[in-house]
Amino acid sequence: GQSLEQPSEVTAVEGAIVQINCTYQTSGFYGLSWYQQHDGGAPTFLSYNALDGLEETGRFSSFLSRSDSYGYLLLQELQMKDSASYFCAVRPDTGGFKTIFGAGTRLFVKA
Amino acid sequence: NAGVTQTPKFRVLKTGQSMTLLCAQDMNHEYMYWYRQDPGMGLRLIHYSVGEGTTAKGEVPDGYNVSRLKKQNFLLGLESAAPSQTSVYFCASRQSTDTQYFGPGTRLTVL
Repeated sequence: GQSLEQPSEVTAVEGAIVQINCTYQTSGFYGLSWYQQHDGGAPTFLSYNALDGLEETGRFSSFLSRSDSYGYLLLQELQMKDSASYFCAVRPDTGGFKTIFGAGTRLFVKA
Repeated sequence: NAGVTQTPKFRVLKTGQSMTLLCAQDMNHEYMYWYRQDPGMGLRLIHYSVGEGTTAKGEVPDGYNVSRLKKQNFLLGLESAAPSQTSVYFCASRQSTDTQYFGPGTRLTVL
């Protein structure tokens, strides 16, 4: 089957760096996406990796290694407002209109 | 641009009642999706559409129907609501890239 696995919770201190991992079991996909969701809000797009390697967008970076079936989201200079849930997602290249989401990682940023 | 909007924002139903959730997007996107999100969980795909006049089943389609009569609108119907359908419903749309744009959600409670 196709599935994505993420840690359920991560806690970090304001100003620190945190990495949220995503491992997947899917035969082929177009790219790995990351979404952020604050409590009571809608998911919003953060980052996308079509190719292996690191993509940087401000304080957020995302990494993909297809050979290791692994990706991560890196958040630097953590702020209290980064407390949210983070989802990784892939769109399989078979029946490729659907997107599969991980269950999400709840990030708690402490002062 | 309003992006993706959803109507209503909140709704309480009694078991057996029916209702329709409306999703509208003004970005001229081809692909539209309906997800449900239960507490502490990820997004599960209910139905999706790859263009005006088309619909397809997702991961959890039972108890729901959809229609896409106009490109900008995607309707989700519950014919006979059940308590198990208590959830937050998100609509999303995208064009050719993987990035999905989500509406603000509809919080549905079935008593």
